[in-house]
Amino acid sequence: ETGVTQTPRHLVMGMTNKKSLKCEQHLGHNAMYWYKQSAKKPLELMFVYSLEERVENNSVPSRFSPECPNSSHLFLHLHTLQPEDSALYLCASSQERASGANVLTFGAGSRLTVL
Amino acid sequence: GQNIDQPTEMTATEGAIVQINCTYQTSGFNGLFWYQQHAGEAPTFLSYNVLDGLEEKGRFSSFLSRSKGYSYLLLKELQMKDSASYLCAVTDSNYQLIWGAGTKLIIKP
Repeated sequence: ETGVTQTPRHLVMGMTNKKSLKCEQHLGHNAMYWYKQSAKKPLELMFVYSLEERVENNSVPSRFSPECPNSSHLFLHLHTLQPEDSALYLCASSQERASGANVLTFGAGSRLTVL
Repeated sequence: GQNIDQPTEMTATEGAIVQINCTYQTSGFNGLFWYQQHAGEAPTFLSYNVLDGLEEKGRFSSFLSRSKGYSYLLLKELQMKDSASYLCAVTDSNYQLIWGAGTKLIIKP
């Protein structure tokens, strides 16, 4: 496979469930990102990993917990979510993090619905 | 605060030309991106401008004026497959990407 792959594509969970989103990139990139996309709102950056080290955490509630075991894989662990967390969660990767011409390659996203 | 504005929705006719505008106010500037996102799919990179002027790529062109904090994406010879959301994003002085909310483009036959 090539590009950025996200699983599952769709997830429905109750507020007390624990689930995880998975992202995998086969591009040899050094930086990986989690974004939240809600309807008619700008993309919200949640977490950034560069060379497997978390370098940004934009005031995200602790019910979201990222994990980057290696440069190709990124997880987002979900626990005790709220209905307002329902959104499309996009994973992205780039060659490096801090660069002007930093082109992101996105996955197709995981559509999360919290009941 | 940092802000990017673009129209929420636009409608155009197949075969025509459409211009999607983007204005920005950011702390510094290190480049402007346009991405295309079809419904239910990943955003994909379209263009990057860092110097003033027009960059052309086939049917798509992107323009930048840094002094005006303004860019536009020009789509020519519109096709039905161009129906998508178009996202404008700016890299600020700290290399943070600031995103607009996207413009949903509807193409009618």
